[in-house]
Amino acid sequence: AQSVTQLGSHVSVSEGALVLLRCNYSSSVPPYLFWYVQYPNQGLQLLLKYTTGATLVKGINGFEAEFKKSETSFHLTKPSAHMSDAAEYFCAVSGHSGGSNYKLTFGKGTLLTVNP
Amino acid sequence: DVKVTQSSRYLVKRTGEKVFLECVQDMDHENMFWYRQDPGLGLRLIYFSYDVKMKEKGDIPEGYSVSREKKERFSLILESASTNQTSMYLCASSADRGRLYQPQHFGDGTRLSIL
Repeated sequence: AQSVTQLGSHVSVSEGALVLLRCNYSSSVPPYLFWYVQYPNQGLQLLLKYTTGATLVKGINGFEAEFKKSETSFHLTKPSAHMSDAAEYFCAVSGHSGGSNYKLTFGKGTLLTVNP
Repeated sequence: DVKVTQSSRYLVKRTGEKVFLECVQDMDHENMFWYRQDPGLGLRLIYFSYDVKMKEKGDIPEGYSVSREKKERFSLILESASTNQTSMYLCASSADRGRLYQPQHFGDGTRLSIL
């Protein structure tokens, strides 16, 4: 079975500071990994995804994530936070899991607050 | 761009009512999903469908059913609404090509209150 753990349900940073949102996964097979962002009263929007190949993945809005197999991690970073980055962020994993080829398993989310 | 449209942003219903939540996608996607989202619990999969008239239970199917009569439309049905079904409901779709690495595209959600 797959699982995702997001460390820290709430992260607060100052505008211009580094953003680091942590995600660890558990999967018995090579995973496909995703980060989604949810702004207030909206659905989820894909930020970036890791499938195969390069382990450093660049996404929209200046975010990137690095897949580290040895650490089973897929942490999301942005060098300089902007007020518009305030949102909830979800990490998700997909992989062969019995018959559940289509399913994503989501973490519980991390709420990012950006202080002026 | 993929467009996933949920018929209502906000809905208020009474206990015991039969409730229909509708979702339409415009990208000819094979897979469609219904999730509920609750604070501190993240997203939990209720049902999904990988083809017309096909459905599979997700993690929390109790008290719900679904219908997929056309490829673009996936309906979630609360057979007899209860207060513990008050939640945000999110619909998503994804292409079948390669399956696993195709991202899901989400609608804006329906915030359902059961009184």
